[in-house]
Amino acid sequence: GQSLEQPSEVTAVEGAIVQINCTYQTSGFYGLSWYQQHDGGAPTFLSYNALDGLEETGRFSSFLSRSDSYGYLLLQELQMKDSASYFCAVSSYGQNFVFGPGTRLSVLP
Amino acid sequence: AAGVIQSPRHLIKEKRETATLKCYPIPRHDTVYWYQQGPGQDPQFLISFYEKMQSDKGSIPDRFSAQQFSDYHSELNMSSLELGDSALYFCASSTQGRTSGYNEQFFGPGTRLTVL
Repeated sequence: GQSLEQPSEVTAVEGAIVQINCTYQTSGFYGLSWYQQHDGGAPTFLSYNALDGLEETGRFSSFLSRSDSYGYLLLQELQMKDSASYFCAVSSYGQNFVFGPGTRLSVLP
Repeated sequence: AAGVIQSPRHLIKEKRETATLKCYPIPRHDTVYWYQQGPGQDPQFLISFYEKMQSDKGSIPDRFSAQQFSDYHSELNMSSLELGDSALYFCASSTQGRTSGYNEQFFGPGTRLTVL
């Protein structure tokens, strides 16, 4: 089967940098995605990593290490509007797309 | 830009009733997904369709069924509703086929189902 682990909560202050980790177990791994979801809203795609290394998109970066079955989402210059839940998700060959349990990020003034 | 449309946005049903949720994917997207999300939970994959054929099946109860029509819209049919079915139901669409690794899914606003 597939499983993903993320911290349940992370708190940081405006302007800071925060890293949300994700470890996964699956077979036939394709890639790791990250989604953001505000309360009551729909998940929104942030990034996708299929190869080892860092992908940067503005204030957000995502990292993957396939050998360690590990990835993280890095958020820089935190803003209040970044307060949301962040989900990692795994794409695997022949298996369903699976979301992690989510990390609730609270950004404090 | 066109987004995924879901209807209705809110639905209230009694136990043992039936419900039908509708999803209109982004034009030219070939894959539709259905998810169920309970309060404070991650989205749970229910079922997906690729080019109108069921492609993957997740934790969808036998009381639920879904289909995708010739115009690519999809419907999730839920029968014998239970209190535990109260949740937010999301539909998402993408342009990638079921065997593609890159999977940017575009989510609709969701249907909030309340079973009394």
